[in-house]
Amino acid sequence: SQQGEEDPQALSIQEGENATMNCSYKTSINNLQWYRQNSGRGLVHLILIRSNEREKHSGRLRVTLDTSKKSSSLLITASRAADTASYFCATDGNQFYFGTGTSLTVIP
Amino acid sequence: GAVVSQHPSRVICKSGTSVKIECRSLDFQATTMFWYRQFPKQSLMLMATSNEGSKATYEQGVEKDKFLINHASLTLSTLTVTSAHPEDSSFYICSAYRKSSNQPQHFGDGTRLSIL
Repeated sequence: SQQGEEDPQALSIQEGENATMNCSYKTSINNLQWYRQNSGRGLVHLILIRSNEREKHSGRLRVTLDTSKKSSSLLITASRAADTASYFCATDGNQFYFGTGTSLTVIP
Repeated sequence: GAVVSQHPSRVICKSGTSVKIECRSLDFQATTMFWYRQFPKQSLMLMATSNEGSKATYEQGVEKDKFLINHASLTLSTLTVTSAHPEDSSFYICSAYRKSSNQPQHFGDGTRLSIL
């Protein structure tokens, strides 16, 4: 069963613009992770945010977590064509469950 | 970062063949390995959770006799698709995880399985 849901399902932006993706989940968590997947490849871990953290930055990535709303957002600033990929959130518990993913297209 | 090696990356075989996929964590000991299946343009569907030295826990709807999982050591888990049929064609991805480490899962590059 899937724990998380990302929205939007698809996002198309111009290079240089910011991209925001949201993730909602259902149960309590220890941490939430964001991953990136290029077509036909495995997932690459981007950032992990713990349940007691509200915001985290890593390079051009900014993640927020609102445990009261059971939601998280991933912001990619100054997007590049190479950021084109699918982005997933995943929550832990006894197991990991992935959201449905956001397909991001950055147009050069 | 941690490296997980998944092999083979692509398999094409005839219906009825059994196919084994290996997942190795190269630089850390994984207490848990996960096996996922992914259909085109869809999310990862968790198939089973494999803990070292114990039987795998399968998700509802996943046939354990069809998808045999062995996690013999802290660095190796295998998934065997037995008597594969065209409907088993999919992208299979493993990940390795060390419980209580508060670290993320680390993923293999996936195996594209095509059954003719």
